[in-house]
Amino acid sequence: GAVVSQHPSWVICKSGTSVKIECRSLDFQATTMFWYRQFPKQSLMLMATSNEGSKATYEQGVEKDKFLINHASLTLSTLTVTSAHPEDSSFYICSATRGLSVNEQFFGPGTRLTVL
Amino acid sequence: QKEVEQDPGPLSVPEGAIVSLNCTYSNSAFQYFMWYRQYSRKGPELLMYTYSSGNKEDGRFTAQVDKSSKYISLFIRDSQPSDSATYLCAIVIRGWGKFQFGAGTQVVVTP
Repeated sequence: GAVVSQHPSWVICKSGTSVKIECRSLDFQATTMFWYRQFPKQSLMLMATSNEGSKATYEQGVEKDKFLINHASLTLSTLTVTSAHPEDSSFYICSATRGLSVNEQFFGPGTRLTVL
Repeated sequence: QKEVEQDPGPLSVPEGAIVSLNCTYSNSAFQYFMWYRQYSRKGPELLMYTYSSGNKEDGRFTAQVDKSSKYISLFIRDSQPSDSATYLCAIVIRGWGKFQFGAGTQVVVTP
């Protein structure tokens, strides 16, 4: 149990276009979902925290108008990168929490975004 | 100064050797100490976690925490080629506080 999926697994887009990434908890309801960004050989950087039915909380330095997060249900959160630029190319990973313990945060497989 | 420091490696060891990984952290308020394994182009998976100083064993893995030195370690005994991955430490303040991740150490176990 505790499977988190992401779609797509990789995407290539042109500069200036928007890209939507989905994160789903497949076998549990997630109270909270997190979005991370990971550049090569760097740590996961938290971008935002998302709770179902409420606005996402963004980390300092993350543009909320550029990275739109919609947490439509207890099993689905989406991240839309608007007007993507090459510097947005990265590995985007979501995680979903099943309970209150620190070991109940489960990560998705990630989405590789390449902006040309 | 980063809150969590971790040497990115790569760390190359022969099969059967002990892999030794470590992280240092700066904030003494951190309470939970996690180790994740991440294969290339995959999400991290939790290996072990602890919240107190001392050792915790799980099979071939031992996690060690020294709160006085703000230093955590992960040891992998009898390493296998399948252990080749990136290992990330993550530290958490107060339960559902934010996870602060290290940069990850790439480990290569050669047959």
